[in-house]
Amino acid sequence: DAGVIQSPRHEVTEMGQEVTLRCKPISGHNSLFWYRQTMMRGLELLIYFNNNVPIDDSGMPEDRFSAKMPNASFSTLKIQPSEPRDSAVYFCASTRGGSYNEQFFGPGTRLTVL
Amino acid sequence: KQEVTQIPAALSVPEGENLVLNCSFTDSAIYNLQWFRQDPGKGLTSLLLIQSSQREQTSGRLNASLDKSSGRSTLYIAASQPGDSATYLCARSTSNTGKLIFGQGTTLQVKP
Repeated sequence: DAGVIQSPRHEVTEMGQEVTLRCKPISGHNSLFWYRQTMMRGLELLIYFNNNVPIDDSGMPEDRFSAKMPNASFSTLKIQPSEPRDSAVYFCASTRGGSYNEQFFGPGTRLTVL
Repeated sequence: KQEVTQIPAALSVPEGENLVLNCSFTDSAIYNLQWFRQDPGKGLTSLLLIQSSQREQTSGRLNASLDKSSGRSTLYIAASQPGDSATYLCARSTSNTGKLIFGQGTTLQVKP
């Protein structure tokens, strides 16, 4: 199994630009999570999906952030417009769900907004 | 608030030493607890998952325990090696949705 796949691995953009991060979960996993990691705040859950449906988006910082999961094998996290304070590492994770829901993380996307 | 606290924030030990990393949580309504390892600039690697009905899990030189009544989990690393140097994070969930609340992590350095 290839594990959770994220792209791009690194993204440098200018303030005001749109940024789209992509994630492919592990095949057969029915829950997908988007996290943000910064030195100041650690790992924060932004949003998670169960069977492609957004369940909890209370961690999404503001309306500039949006996430979609059009099918079981693909999800996107979009920031429009981006701001320097959005600079962080964004992780995607997936789990099979149920009683033994070990969570597996992707390698992350390091975003720098200038 | 569903806080997860890890102490100490950083730890440096000589190679070969046995060590314990601590994780505490404020809400005893835990579904499971998961320990992760993160190397610099990398993603998180799952080490051990303890379900609420379990007391401990073991994998190689790692042993994780869970005490729900006291709101604590420990990760025991036996015979530490320089390759164990990394940040270790614990995370708890309160339901079968998989939603995790993370601690800030303990950064471990094992000196040769």
